[in-house]
Amino acid sequence: AQSVAQPEDQVNVAEGNPLTVKCTYSVSGNPYLFWYVQYPNRGLQFLLKYITGDNLVKGSYGFEAEFNKSQTSFHLKKPSALVSDSALYFCAVRHSKAAGNKLTFGGGTRVLVKP
Amino acid sequence: DSGVTQTPKHLITATGQRVTLRCSPRSGDLSVYWYQQSLDQGLQFLIQYYNGEERAKGNILERFSAQQFPDLHSELNLSSLELGDSALYFCASRDLYTDTQYFGPGTRLTVL
Repeated sequence: AQSVAQPEDQVNVAEGNPLTVKCTYSVSGNPYLFWYVQYPNRGLQFLLKYITGDNLVKGSYGFEAEFNKSQTSFHLKKPSALVSDSALYFCAVRHSKAAGNKLTFGGGTRVLVKP
Repeated sequence: DSGVTQTPKHLITATGQRVTLRCSPRSGDLSVYWYQQSLDQGLQFLIQYYNGEERAKGNILERFSAQQFPDLHSELNLSSLELGDSALYFCASRDLYTDTQYFGPGTRLTVL
């Protein structure tokens, strides 16, 4: 079964410091991994995805993620965090076509960037 | 703005009632997915439709049903509502070419 885990409920970081949000995955076959962000009272916004190719994926708003097959991880990173990056972040894995290409999400990590 | 629209934004109703949530996918997208976000269960997949046909089902209760119409909009019907059905319900549509799901703003359901 496809699953992802986000080991941290909350990450606190000072503005200007690097931000990392962790995600590990467990899949059968090739992983199709996604990151979404949810701002208060808003829907989920797509940030980036890994399907194949380069292990470093660049996405929206200066975010990037590193796919690591040996560690089964797909951590989200931003070199310099902004206060406006404070939000709830979700890692997700896509299931097969037979399962409707549905997404299974991790539990979410709340990021708080302090000025 | 993802291009996926959902109405209404908020719904407040009583236990035992029935409500209908509506979703319009992005222009050109044929797939619609429904997800439920609650404090205790997190984000869960409910059901998927592709071009009017049900394609996949998740942990959707029997009291819940959905359909996708010829114009591709979808409706999620929730009946015999219970307090525990209070949640944020999201609709997403999938871009076939980029293999990415784009989410609507959600409908917040409160059952009193």
